[in-house]
Order: sequence, then C-alpha cells, then structure tokens
Amino acid sequence: EVQLVQSGAEVKKPGESLKISCKGSGYSFSDYWIAWVRQMPGKGLEWMGIIFPGDSDTRYSPSFEGQVTISVDKSTDTVYLHWSSLRASDTALYYCARRFSRYYFDSWGQGTPVTVSS
Amino acid sequence: DIQMTQSPSSVSASVGDRVTITCRASQGFTAWLAWYQQKPGKAPKLLIYSTSNLQSGVPSRFSGRVSATDFTLTISGLQPEDFATYYCQHSSGFPSFTFGPGTRVDIK
Repeated sequence: EVQLVQSGAEVKKPGESLKISCKGSGYSFSDYWIAWVRQMPGKGLEWMGIIFPGDSDTRYSPSFEGQVTISVDKSTDTVYLHWSSLRASDTALYYCARRFSRYYFDSWGQGTPVTVSS
Repeated sequence: DIQMTQSPSSVSASVGDRVTITCRASQGFTAWLAWYQQKPGKAPKLLIYSTSNLQSGVPSRFSGRVSATDFTLTISGLQPEDFATYYCQHSSGFPSFTFGPGTRVDIK
C-alpha cells in the first residue's frame, strides 16, 4: 500500500525556521515526483512545488519560488519542505502528494498543520 | 496562466439526488483535468483523472465529462459519504498544477 506519512503539527514564531517532512513507503520512492500543496484556513488547494527523488530535480510554482525550499533524503525516502524565515501568512495545512499519470496526484499525506504566531 | 472556476460554490442536496458540478477553464482547451474529494480534516482524494477516467476504487456513481471548456463532475445517486468539498485540478503542462476554488456539497 502506498503511504505518505507527514510530520506532526508545528507552532512557530515569525522569523523562525521550519522543516516539515513527508516519508513515502509501499512503492519505489525514487521513481515518483512528490509535490507540496498548501491549504490556508478555510481555503482551497495551492500547488507549491515538486521534486523528483531520483535526481533531486525540483520545480516551484512562481507564487512560492524563493519562499520555500524543497529537498529530499533518498536514504530515508523522505521529502522536506523548508522555510528559513516564517511569516504569519504561512499559517496553513501543508500536504505532500505523489504525482500520478504526469498531471495528477494519486496519494496524499495526512497533512501537517503549521501555525505561525507571535 | 489558465484559471479555473467552479460552479456552484456550494450545493445542498439530499441522499439519492443527482449532483453536477462544473469547472471551466479561462482559455483554451485542456484534456488534463482531475476531480478530487475532500472531507473535513482529511486529505484530498483523487476521483477522476484525464476528464473522465475513474480512479481505482472510486464508485461508478462518479463520472466526468467535458463540453467545450466546461468540465463536469456528476454524482448519480448521492450517498451520505459523498457530502464533501470537490475540487477540479488542471495542468497546462508539467510542472503546472492549478486547482479550482472548490464546491461544497452539503445535506439539504
């Protein structure tokens, strides 16, 4: 069974750094792109960026380029989403998702809530 | 960039009803459209991809089609577990993934 398991909820202050994780299992981790998707409170879904674990090829949505960094550790089948300096507007639920059939996402993590507040 | 709109933004329906949700592209034509279901506190679930292909394990009461730039998701015979928010998702090519604003289906 394909599973993406994300790290737990985070509460941070503005200006702090944060790295959340998404661990894949049940499939060949290196062969599938993994995306990050943001869902702000009460809002819809926004694609942030995507990484190919096989060679770390990473692409970002123009809306998120420079705001976050996506990375991978193939030794642990884990993808990361990193902020160097959080803002209150980063408060949201973040999902990782596996790319399927080139244009879609067939498996999703359970979501990581991030709260940024002074 | 192509923008996606969904209508209605919300719909109230009863068990057994037929519900249709429309997603429209702002320009051009694309075959790369999917539908997701999201229940409160849960991750989205892929229902349909490439306009009309049912994802494995998804009940056949869900169907998708396209007419010009209007993509539709139809739920034929709404079940209690179908009350949720539905999102369309488009791709104009890799890597580009755009979600519609969502349609909430709740109990009348």
